[in-house]
Parts: sequence; C-alpha cells; structure tokens
Amino acid sequence: QKEVEQNSGPLSVPEGAIASLNCTYSDRGSQSFFWYRQYSGKSPELIMSIYSNGDKEDGRFTAQLNKASQYVSLLIRDSQPSDSATYLCAVNMLKIDKVIFGPGTSLSVIP
Amino acid sequence: SAVISQKPSRDICQRGTSLTIQCQVDSQVTMMFWYRQQPGQSLTLIATANQGSEATYESGFVIDKFPISRPNLTFSTLTVSNMSPEDSSIYLCSARDRGYEGTEAFFGQGTRLTVV
Repeated sequence: QKEVEQNSGPLSVPEGAIASLNCTYSDRGSQSFFWYRQYSGKSPELIMSIYSNGDKEDGRFTAQLNKASQYVSLLIRDSQPSDSATYLCAVNMLKIDKVIFGPGTSLSVIP
Repeated sequence: SAVISQKPSRDICQRGTSLTIQCQVDSQVTMMFWYRQQPGQSLTLIATANQGSEATYESGFVIDKFPISRPNLTFSTLTVSNMSPEDSSIYLCSARDRGYEGTEAFFGQGTRLTVV
C-alpha cells in the first residue's frame, strides 16, 4: 500500500457545484494533514490543514478527517473555474516524521 | 506562517554542469526539506537538511548528486551536480515548524530547472 493515495482524476464538476476530493493514508499514527493546491507551472500552496477528527471549514473549503478510517477529504463548495488545479494531499507521517505527498487529483471546473 | 524565498526561480543549464539553489526562510524553523517534482508527477522528498550536520537522504538520492548545506536555522542550499536532462524538474524547498495546532509545512516558489 502506498503511504498516501488519491484518485488521480481528472475530476470535472460544473461551476457552482461541490467538488469532493479524497485521500487515504497508511500510517495510523499520523497527526497532521494538509491540502495543497497547485496551478500548472506553480509551486504548491497550502489551503487547509487539519489535525483533529471532524470538519474544519475555511470559506468555501471544508476539510474532513476520520483517523479511524485513515481518510481525509476536501470539499470545495460553489466551485469556480479558478479552482481548476491539482490538489495534493499531504500527511505528516508520525513513524518517519516526514511530510509525504499523494499523487494529486486534477480538478476541472467547467463554466 | 513562514515565508520562504527560493532562488533562482528558473534556469536553463547545460548537461554536465551544476546548479546551486538557495532557500531563505524569514524565521528560524526546526526543519527544512528539499523536494523534487518531475513533470506530471507529485512531490518526492529528496532529503532533510540538518542544521550543522550532513543531510539525511531518501532512497534513490545521494549526497554526491545532491549535496545540501544548512549552515543555520533559516538558510539551506541544494546543488544539482553533473546535470543530465533527466534532472529537469521543479525543485522545492520546504520548511516545517510547530504551530499552535500542530506541525505545518510551507514551500518556496520553486526552481524550474531545464537541462539541455
């Protein structure tokens, strides 16, 4: 099993819809989870971090964490064409104390 | 949050030459890392830059190819040595520190390297 897994996509949603991005991880002891957005040719940008089970909301973004299921997700409400990017899930793996990235999910928001 | 300045932002280099990438953080951070992102791929950790000692390299990466320095808690360099076209990638510096909730990781703007 890979350490951090994501659906590679591409995921296409219409403008105004909810985009749902999913991520699973292998290290049950992991404590810190991150979502990064990366536009083509640009560096990753941190958009959400989450540390506790449950939901964390920031504007149109909601991160959801379920440590028992080793699952973290990102919801984007009222999706905009400007949200079209690759979304990277990253996990601070406790057993190795390093941030490991998933392969990324490409999101396309169709006007 | 830490602000990371990385330079150069891009470069085109001849094969067989070396390039040193600099990473400056605006505050002292406990850990600094170097990642590589090959075209169409996710980020792969190259090494952990240790302050005052040799870097810790991940499997598949060696010091002779990617020498790293970290003379203090705010600065690190990565050198890509004896470059070949396969080294064409984005190289990213990352800093981690403990926030009030937990550990957060931040990135520089990246160095886009093209080897010809």
